[in-house]
Amino acid sequence: GQNIDQPTEMTATEGAIVQINCTYQTSGFNGLFWYQQHAGEAPTFLSYNVLDGLEEKGRFSSFLSRSKGYSYLLLKELQMKDSASYLCAVRDRDDYKLSFGAGTTVTVRA
Amino acid sequence: ETGVTQTPRHLVMGMTNKKSLKCEQHLGHNAMYWYKQSAKKPLELMFVYSLEERVENNSVPSRFSPECPNSSHLFLHLHTLQPEDSALYLCASSQDLGIDTEAFFGQGTRLTVV
Repeated sequence: GQNIDQPTEMTATEGAIVQINCTYQTSGFNGLFWYQQHAGEAPTFLSYNVLDGLEEKGRFSSFLSRSKGYSYLLLKELQMKDSASYLCAVRDRDDYKLSFGAGTTVTVRA
Repeated sequence: ETGVTQTPRHLVMGMTNKKSLKCEQHLGHNAMYWYKQSAKKPLELMFVYSLEERVENNSVPSRFSPECPNSSHLFLHLHTLQPEDSALYLCASSQDLGIDTEAFFGQGTRLTVV
C-alpha cells in the first residue's frame, strides 16, 4: 500500500514562488504524478517523475528523490489562476494503480 | 473540452432511489476508471476497466455497480445509497494500463444522498 502526505493548505502572493512537498511511504514505486484541480473542475496532469531529479515545464517544476520518498512541486511567478488544489499521486511498483494524497489547496493573493 | 465527459454534473438522490452516472471519453483510450473524492480526503480508486473488462474492484459496496459496454463509455449504477456516499465521483481514462500513462479526468458528478 501507499501512504502519501502533503500539506493541506498554502497561501502565497502573486508573483512569488511556492513549493508543495509530498512524502510517500510505499511498498513499491513506479513513478509520481502531480495534478492540478480547480474547484469544481477535473484534475489535470502537470508532471510525471520516475527518475531522481528536477523536471521543468515553464513556470512549474517537479523534483523527485526516490531514496528519501520525497517530491516537490515548485510554482514560480505565481498567478491568480494558480489558485487550486494540487494532488500528488504515486504509482505502485507492481501494478498500474495510482494512490493519491489528499491534495494541497494553494491560495494566491494579490 | 477535457476529452472525458461526465453526466450529470450534479445529482441529488434519496436513499431508496436508483440512478446512474455516465462517463464518455473521446480520446480513443483503452482503460477507464471510477474514483470517489470526498472532502479533504485522497481520491479513492473504485473500479478499473481495461478493454471493457473489469480489472479492479477495490472492495466497493455492492450498492455501486459499474458497467462498461464499450471502450468509450462507462457507467456507475447507484442504488440504496447512504448519506456517507455523498461525494464527487470522477471518471478517468488512460491510453492503457502502462506505468507511465497519465490519466485524463472528467469534471465529475457531485452526488448528494439525502
